[in-house]
Amino acid sequence: DTGVSQDPRHKITKRGQNVTFRCDPISEHNRLYWYRQTLGQGPEFLTYFQNEAQLEKSRLLSDRFSAERPKGSFSTLEIQRTEQGDSAMYLCASRGGLVGYNEQFFGPGTRLTVL
Amino acid sequence: AQSVTQLDSQVPVFEEAPVELRCNYSSSVSVYLFWYVQYPNQGLQLLLKYLSGSTLVKGINGFEAEFNKSQTSFHLRKPSVHISDTAEYFCAVSGSSGTYKYIFGTGTRLKVLA
Repeated sequence: DTGVSQDPRHKITKRGQNVTFRCDPISEHNRLYWYRQTLGQGPEFLTYFQNEAQLEKSRLLSDRFSAERPKGSFSTLEIQRTEQGDSAMYLCASRGGLVGYNEQFFGPGTRLTVL
Repeated sequence: AQSVTQLDSQVPVFEEAPVELRCNYSSSVSVYLFWYVQYPNQGLQLLLKYLSGSTLVKGINGFEAEFNKSQTSFHLRKPSVHISDTAEYFCAVSGSSGTYKYIFGTGTRLKVLA
């Protein structure tokens, strides 16, 4: 399968714990996006990478959130000191191949539940 | 900045009937427009996109959409729906340059009834 993959698919944690999610984009894609989707809402943009450079961060991305994309390949999203309001689906998308250059390809998401 | 409005949060329709899901957008710059479908506990799958050119866009699974610049709309249509079309549908807009990040609407839940 050459699509976008995310790991884990589900994460349950207690308030105050740190969590880290991983996204593996389609291999030839140089652009990578993170979105957050809460229940009953559309996805909201969190951050954007072009290669290894993080070029835009939403104001939704508080100081407790950090994202990286070392070497311009996979990306990680870490949430420190989780809060119940962080419970959501975290979606990763990539873009930039020869096929479908102008669209984003989404992974299956990581569903986070903070107890 | 862009924004997207999906006025209908839920649309019930009988199987084999036509359906239209409405999407209006606002933007001060040229945009690309997209419709995605999301099945429960899954990611988003692209149905169709408008980048430029013909305003009538055909997508997968028999869906089509029409870009109307004067009304800033991009409504999704299907002439005959199936039970399997039951899902959440999202309209999204991005700028035609820059980061190309998406701004999504709040979604429309399509419920196809037997």
